Amino acid sequence: EAQVTQNPRYLITVTGKKLTVTCSQNMNHEYMSWYRQDPGLGLRQIYYSMNVEVTDKGDVPEGYKVSRKEKRNFPLILESPSPNQTSLYFCASSLGPSGNGELFFGEGSRLTVL
Amino acid sequence: GENVEQHPSTLSVQEGDSAVIKCTYSDSASNYFPWYKQELGKGPQLIIDIRSNVGEKKDQRIAVTLNKTAKHFSLHITETQPEDSAVYFCAASMRDNNDMRFGAGTRLTVKP
Repeated sequence: EAQVTQNPRYLITVTGKKLTVTCSQNMNHEYMSWYRQDPGLGLRQIYYSMNVEVTDKGDVPEGYKVSRKEKRNFPLILESPSPNQTSLYFCASSLGPSGNGELFFGEGSRLTVL
Repeated sequence: GENVEQHPSTLSVQEGDSAVIKCTYSDSASNYFPWYKQELGKGPQLIIDIRSNVGEKKDQRIAVTLNKTAKHFSLHITETQPEDSAVYFCAASMRDNNDMRFGAGTRLTVKP
């Protein structure tokens, strides 16, 4: 089954404790991205990657890092989480420029930073 | 950059009625306008999209209209059913996914 898989789905952590949210897709997609969803603000892009070893900042990259060492994986790293990073996070992927534009989303990771 | 505004933020309709959600965008260069549906506890899923060379697109009970002059586009759902209850997001993009901007979302409730 074609899918985008995120882990963990739920996480409660404390300020300053480094964490990683993993994202993996099995569709051989070139493009991957991370969004955060907050009430009243919709989906805001954190980082995106057009292909392996190519990453770039989205609209709200502060406090986050990403890497794209393999085509299927795109982990989101919070080096020193703060309470304002409490949010619902979504990873998404698509074929990229050769595709029709459709983004495939994971099921989300709800993060609480105390 | 692109700015997408979406209205209303919440919408409640009776089963069988129609629902309309409206979005405006700021950048006239945008040419791709998808709509995503997010059910409770899930990620958004594409339900319909339209490109700037088309004014209207329909898929069964769902239709999207685009007015490029006014820079607005709308989602129309007819004969609503309880399973249409979800959060709907509009988006606009100029070329590909890395510049896609989403609206704030509309929570649609269809009452049986």
